[in-house]
Formats: sequence, structure tokens, C-alpha cells
Amino acid sequence: NAGVTQTPKFRILKIGQSMTLQCTQDMNHNYMYWYRQDPGMGLKLIYYSVGAGITDKGEVPNGYNVSRSTTEDFPLRLELAAPSQTSVYFCASSYEAQAYEQYFGPGTRLTVT
Amino acid sequence: GENVEQHPSTLSVQEGDSAVIKCTYSDSASNYFPWYKQELGKGPQLIIDIRSNVGEKKDQRIAVTLNKTAKHFSLHITETQPEDSAVYFCAARVDYKLSFGAGTTVTVRA
Repeated sequence: NAGVTQTPKFRILKIGQSMTLQCTQDMNHNYMYWYRQDPGMGLKLIYYSVGAGITDKGEVPNGYNVSRSTTEDFPLRLELAAPSQTSVYFCASSYEAQAYEQYFGPGTRLTVT
Repeated sequence: GENVEQHPSTLSVQEGDSAVIKCTYSDSASNYFPWYKQELGKGPQLIIDIRSNVGEKKDQRIAVTLNKTAKHFSLHITETQPEDSAVYFCAARVDYKLSFGAGTTVTVRA
């Protein structure tokens, strides 16, 4: 198993541009999450999904959108990028029926200038 | 929502000594408390967790304690080694969602 994979690893965006951060897991996990991590801070939940077709807002959803058309994929869309969205983004997944452990991807470092 | 506070923010210990990190949480409905280790340039990785019906859990050199009445939980690392140097995060879970502390940077001096 590859676990949770994220692409790209790094990206620089200009203010106002849009992009999609990709996240895929091959563990057949039903729950998936997107977090952002700012320097010296813990992880903040952006959006999460409890299964295909079901998504919900986390703590900091403004400026982002998600979709979950399959169990494996959970892309995060940034529309009209702003400097405040400069951060490291982590995707995670878990199989809630058996355990609460969340498995994290390697992260995407995004800079908006 | 849940608020998790973590102390200290940085911790420097001599190799072989113990390290203790403490967290408090606000929501009494929290039922699961994991600890994650994050190495430079990588995603967080679970090192130990505890559920609300357990007071203490140990895994080799790592232990976690939970005091539900006081709403705090702690991570204890004994016989620290250079590879223990990393950022450690505590978290509390309510309704499928984790709220994280701000992290503790642990440095083990050789």
C-alpha cells in the first residue's frame, strides 16, 4: 500500500489564481480530511468527508472547496488564491469503524505571492 | 468547538533523560487523545493514543496519561535518544474531528 499520497509537493501561486491539491488513499478508508499547518501552529481542519458524496466544513473552510466522488480521492480546490492561504496542506484518512487513527500524507507546501 | 493547549512549546533534554509534554482540552465530550510525531518535511505520524475510558497507556519508552476530571493528558518519553528529536502534537477528538495543540519542538542533546 502507498498509503496517503498528495500532489504536488510544492507550488507557487500568484494572487487570484486557482489550483487543486490532489489526495489519494489506497487503504479503503471511509473518512478523509484536509488540514493546513502554519508555522508554529498546530493543524487546523479545513474540510472532511465521511464517505463518497458526503463532505462537511471544518474549522477554517473559507476560500476552499472539496468534493468526494470516490472513496479513494479527496481533492481540495483553492479559488482566488490569497497570501493568507500560504501554508502546508496535509491530507489524512481513517477507517472509523475499527480505529480512530488518522494516516497523514507527506504534505503540499503552497506559497501565494 | 474544542480547544487544545499544549506546553511547553520547546523542550531541550539531555540524551537519556525524560521528556514530558502536557495538554489540556476544553470539551468534555472528547473521547480519544492521540499523540503525533512530525519530522522535518514529513506528515505527522501517530506514536501513541488513549481513549477516554483508559487512564494510562504505555508502549516501550513512551507513555500517555489521561485525567478526564481535570481535562488534561500528558506524554512521557523515557531514556530519550537523538531520534526522538522532532515536533510532537497532542490532539483531542470530538465527533470524528481532531483538534490539535500548537506543538512541542523536542531537541535531544547528545
